[in-house]
Amino acid sequence: DAGVTQSPTHLIKTRGQQVTLRCSPISGHKSVSWYQQVLGQGPQFIFQYYEKEERGRGNFPDRFSARQFPNYSSELNVNALLLGDSALYLCASSLEVGRDTQYFGPGTRLTVL
Amino acid sequence: GESVGLHLPTLSVQEGDNSIINCAYSNSASDYFIWYKQESGKGPQFIIDIRSNMDKRQGQRVTVLLNKTVKHLSLQIAATQPGDSAVYFCAEKGRDDKIIFGKGTRLHILP
Repeated sequence: DAGVTQSPTHLIKTRGQQVTLRCSPISGHKSVSWYQQVLGQGPQFIFQYYEKEERGRGNFPDRFSARQFPNYSSELNVNALLLGDSALYLCASSLEVGRDTQYFGPGTRLTVL
Repeated sequence: GESVGLHLPTLSVQEGDNSIINCAYSNSASDYFIWYKQESGKGPQFIIDIRSNMDKRQGQRVTVLLNKTVKHLSLQIAATQPGDSAVYFCAEKGRDDKIIFGKGTRLHILP
């Protein structure tokens, strides 16, 4: 069975640019969450979506936005990129929200120059 | 989220010995706890979870212990193998469904 998939694997952008990251959840999973993992730290929660609606937001600026599509896939958008946005961006999916286990994808490595 | 430094705590264990990785969590209202394993270049992989109404849960070669009195969580890995080398994160989840990851611990297996 396919796990959570993310694209692209790696991405290099320059300051001020915009980026879109994509995530496909495990088949049957309706909830998608996004995390940012800076080198040497644990993942930091950005967003959670369920049934196309935002269910939670972490402490990130408005430059970060996301959406979920009818097929439960999701996109994370980051505008006006800063050097500090360089990180591994992880997507996790779960069946529902609440106490269901979240399964992570391999991540997208974003480098901002 | 928690503020963590760039240097992860490291635990070195002889192959075949048992490993114990400890974690202190911050929110007394958290009622669900998870351990994740992250290998280099990969996303976190679910290992085992435990709810706050339990104090111990066992999986295959792994055991999680929860002490709510002192807000402490531990992961025990039996008969540690080279494939266990990774960074291990504990995570807590409260009623807002937000998962908060703790500081990771790098497990290094000695031959």
